[in-house]
Amino acid sequence: GQSLEQPSEVTAVEGAIVQINCTYQTSGFYGLSWYQQHDGGAPTFLSYNALDGLEETGRFSSFLSRSDSYGYLLLQELQMKDSASYFCAVRPPTLSSGSARQLTFGSGTQLTVLP
Amino acid sequence: EAQVTQNPRYLITVTGKKLTVTCSQNMNHEYMSWYRQDPGLGLRQIYYSMNVEATDKGDVPEGYKVSRKEKRNFPLILESPSPNQTSLYFCASSSRGLGAYEQYFGPGTRLTVT
Repeated sequence: GQSLEQPSEVTAVEGAIVQINCTYQTSGFYGLSWYQQHDGGAPTFLSYNALDGLEETGRFSSFLSRSDSYGYLLLQELQMKDSASYFCAVRPPTLSSGSARQLTFGSGTQLTVLP
Repeated sequence: EAQVTQNPRYLITVTGKKLTVTCSQNMNHEYMSWYRQDPGLGLRQIYYSMNVEATDKGDVPEGYKVSRKEKRNFPLILESPSPNQTSLYFCASSSRGLGAYEQYFGPGTRLTVT
């Protein structure tokens, strides 16, 4: 089956830059998404990479390399409010039945931002 | 306001007592999904729906049922809940194509089965 690997925890200080990696253990997937989830809250969409390369959205950037089945989320100028869990997600290949598959999520990375 | 709503938000029940968690979206999205979230396991998909009367199993469908009779609603049914279904449940919706990568999540339903 498909699986995504992320570090379970990352800690950084306010103002720093942090990179959260995500590797996908199967061949073929359609794009990489990133979601943020604060404690007790619903996941919210951050970014999506359909193609290889870097996508930038304000302080957050996301990168994808299909050949390496690897991506990362880069958070710059960290703020206390960035303390949250971050999930990568991929859309697996279409099932043999022809049904489209929805997203498969990694187990998440808990980011703690220290003052 | 574009949103996904779930009810109830919290539920404590006993083993074997049938329950339904409702989910509704007002964005006219084709895709809807149910996930459960457990510590250390991330979000695991239970069922998803591509459109009205079109549903399919996700990664952990055992013990759950769904239906999609209307585009806006996608209820999750637990016919005979068991303690291993204690979890945090999220409903999500998205549009088709590339929009499927941006899912809108409901606020979650915390279920405890004793």
